[in-house]
Amino acid sequence: EPEVTQTPSHQVTQMGQEVILRCVPISNHLYFYWYRQILGQKVEFLVSFYNNEISEKSEIFDDQFSVERPDGSNFTLKIRSTKLEDSAMYFCASSGLDNSPLHFGNGTRLTVT
Amino acid sequence: QQQVKQSPQSLIVQKGGIPIINCAYENTAFDYFPWYQQFPGKGPALLIAIRPDVSEKKEGRFTISFNKSAKQFSLHIMDSQPGDSATYFCAASTGANNLFFGTGTRLTVIP
Repeated sequence: EPEVTQTPSHQVTQMGQEVILRCVPISNHLYFYWYRQILGQKVEFLVSFYNNEISEKSEIFDDQFSVERPDGSNFTLKIRSTKLEDSAMYFCASSGLDNSPLHFGNGTRLTVT
Repeated sequence: QQQVKQSPQSLIVQKGGIPIINCAYENTAFDYFPWYQQFPGKGPALLIAIRPDVSEKKEGRFTISFNKSAKQFSLHIMDSQPGDSATYFCAASTGANNLFFGTGTRLTVIP
């Protein structure tokens, strides 16, 4: 069964550094998402992306965050200047046609020290 | 504002028991209500989902009950097994995108 893959599985960075989290969505999917989950808390929506542009973003997704689909297979989340409170699991998800279920990757655990 | 409220926070049942997890929502525009199962170190995996035109949906041992007037929905796991031990999240959205998740229920099934 095709799956969403994320790399790295764990990223440790110092406060103020830039990080890029990478995702390879399911190949024929058209809609891409980033969610985050602070340890022990609920999964929170960050951003959705379709047709090479952001379609919706939450209040969490401020100017420090950006997304990009640099080629036909990767989907990245960049945090420009990390803060301690950015420490969380970041999940990428993708879906096919509009209104089809989201498929999540296994996440990248980001630790900001 | 919490779009989706989930309870209980944790649940322990004996093998064969029927755990029930409840969720309530506020936004009447929501029209898609999935349940996700998450094991430690893994991403959420879609378990079962329902749309508000039906009051119940069953897939294998998992059943969603939906009460549109009360804006509530619940997950029932029949004949629960130790392998069902995981965290369960309800969610809601308009369409199937941009999900609003509940706070999760950690289920433990004791052999």
